Amino acid sequence: DVKVTQSSRYLVKRTGEKVFLECVQDMDHENMFWYRQDPGLGLRLIYFSYDVKMKEKGDIPEGYSVSREKKERFSLILESASTNQTSMYLCASSSGDIVSNEQFFGPGTRLTVL
Amino acid sequence: GQNIDQPTEMTATEGAIVQINCTYQTSGFNGLFWYQQHAGEAPTFLSYNVLDGLEEKGRFSSFLSRSKGYSYLLLKELQMKDSASYLCAVRDSNYQLIWGAGTKLIIKP
Repeated sequence: DVKVTQSSRYLVKRTGEKVFLECVQDMDHENMFWYRQDPGLGLRLIYFSYDVKMKEKGDIPEGYSVSREKKERFSLILESASTNQTSMYLCASSSGDIVSNEQFFGPGTRLTVL
Repeated sequence: GQNIDQPTEMTATEGAIVQINCTYQTSGFNGLFWYQQHAGEAPTFLSYNVLDGLEEKGRFSSFLSRSKGYSYLLLKELQMKDSASYLCAVRDSNYQLIWGAGTKLIIKP
């Protein structure tokens, strides 16, 4: 059974803290993505990666960075958390097959920044 | 700009049929996806359309008209477990997914 796991389901942090969100997939997928999901808005892409050590900015990269040191792991870093980064964070992965390119999602991390 | 429009919320009755519409304006088109997301859970893939027409998969069908920038998801024989949000996403010319805000479907007995 294919799986994308995220390090935490719920996280509470204080303004200014550095926050690490970890994502691991066991499907040997080339592509990995970080989204945030807010009420009334579609999923918004923060960063994505098509290969190890490779990263590309999505639509809303400001205030975030990422790391992909291994194929199966993609980390999202909030350098200095702010209250407007309170959100649901979803990690996804997909194969390099461009024909269908279905994305598999992790369960999400609900981050609250106080 | 790029835009995906879906109704915010729909209500239907158990056993009935419901159609969820999605209209899009994107820079290029390389396929349209429908995902289901139960409250508090991850989105899961339902269907993929890249050519015009209807794709049927059990109780769920998805239709695409590229010339009209339009798709719908048809759910038949509704069950209570179908209560969820349904997300429409279009892959643009850069092969990036543009997501709609989702349609919350409420099923009543």
